[in-house]
Amino acid sequence: GAVVSQHPSWVICKSGTSVKIECRSLDFQATTMFWYRQFPKQSLMLMATSNEGSKATYEQGVEKDKFLINHASLTLSTLTVTSAHPEDSSFYICSARAGLALSDTQYFGPGTRLTVL
Amino acid sequence: SQQGEEDPQALSIQEGENATMNCSYKTSINNLQWYRQNSGRGLVHLILIRSNEREKHSGRLRVTLDTSKKSSSLLITASRAADTASYFCATVLDSGGYQKVTFGIGTKLQVIP
Repeated sequence: GAVVSQHPSWVICKSGTSVKIECRSLDFQATTMFWYRQFPKQSLMLMATSNEGSKATYEQGVEKDKFLINHASLTLSTLTVTSAHPEDSSFYICSARAGLALSDTQYFGPGTRLTVL
Repeated sequence: SQQGEEDPQALSIQEGENATMNCSYKTSINNLQWYRQNSGRGLVHLILIRSNEREKHSGRLRVTLDTSKKSSSLLITASRAADTASYFCATVLDSGGYQKVTFGIGTKLQVIP
């Protein structure tokens, strides 16, 4: 089946630094990638949707200047948390969709746990 | 209450029993999907049901959708200890040419061996 990887699996950083998280579709081309965040014991919250080669569409309340998304190729999207603060500590999960149809399945990565000290 | 709200929030059953989880939502949808998540791991897609479908099966999973009641249910038959996980429903709606996916808060299922 389709595999999506994320790197790193976990990261601990100091407040004020920037962290980049990579999301790769390993065996398919992802026309669309999604970024979610999940706080402990809560559901996933969609942060943004990105189509290859175009600007990401951010959900209401998500600061696009703080969470920079780049979807430069059909197999790679990156999320950069700029000037991270402790409240940004969360589990970040990406997903990738191969086609454009609504029914196309999203394949999820294993997630990246970010801890900001 | 929020879109894609599951109930119960937690469920504990004995191995071999059936587990039923429900999901309610508020807006119209194009399809509804169920996912499972093992602790600290990513989501695994289980099954997708379109808005014009009423029931779908996949192995030990049975999903129903009632668009008039804006609700869906996931039934896991003959549960196993390995089914222990959190289960989320996600509603999918095409909005202005882009797909909006909204997850519920999930049901934490524990299957006791």
